[in-house]
Amino acid sequence: GAVVSQHPSRVICKSGTSVKIECRSLDFQATTMFWYRQFPKKSLMLMATSNEGSKATYEQGVEKDKFLINHASLTLSTLTVTSAHPEDSSFYICSARPRQAGTGELFFGEGSRLTVL
Amino acid sequence: SQKIEQNSEALNIQEGKTATLTCNYTNYSPAYLQWYRQDPGRGPVFLLLIRENEKEKRKERLKVTFDTTLKQSLFHITASQPADSATYLCALALGAGKSTFGDGTTLTVKP
Repeated sequence: GAVVSQHPSRVICKSGTSVKIECRSLDFQATTMFWYRQFPKKSLMLMATSNEGSKATYEQGVEKDKFLINHASLTLSTLTVTSAHPEDSSFYICSARPRQAGTGELFFGEGSRLTVL
Repeated sequence: SQKIEQNSEALNIQEGKTATLTCNYTNYSPAYLQWYRQDPGRGPVFLLLIRENEKEKRKERLKVTFDTTLKQSLFHITASQPADSATYLCALALGAGKSTFGDGTTLTVKP
């Protein structure tokens, strides 16, 4: 099956620093990747849609200058949390949609747990 | 307003029984609906997809139904095992690859 790798799985940083999370599709090309945030016992909240070679599309209420998304190739998207604050602490998950026509399912990374001190 | 609701936050059943999870939605017209499994601290894993013109889909011990009139999907796990314990998420396709997810139901199968 299709594999999506997300790195790092856990990161702890100081308030005010920036953190970059990588999402890679290992065995398929993904023109579209999605970034989510998940709170405890809650579902995935879509933050943005990342399209290869173009600007990301952000959901309402998500600060694009805070959460920088870059989709530089067909297998890599990155999310950078800039000037992180404790309220940015969360579980961030990416998903990828294969380039070739598929059955519509999304393939998810393992998630990245961010803790901002 | 648009809503997607999964019947309960938690469901406890005995091993061997059938688990039935419900997903209801309002003010959506999804072309298809998906079910995912999520274990603690992990990303969701795709299980099944059912299209609007399909009534039922099966995969091994899993069965999904989709009633677009009732705006409801049922997800069944037959002969449940403790290893089936996890959180199950339903997701509605919104188009362009985007999906919206329910809050999930945490299933616990007791031996």
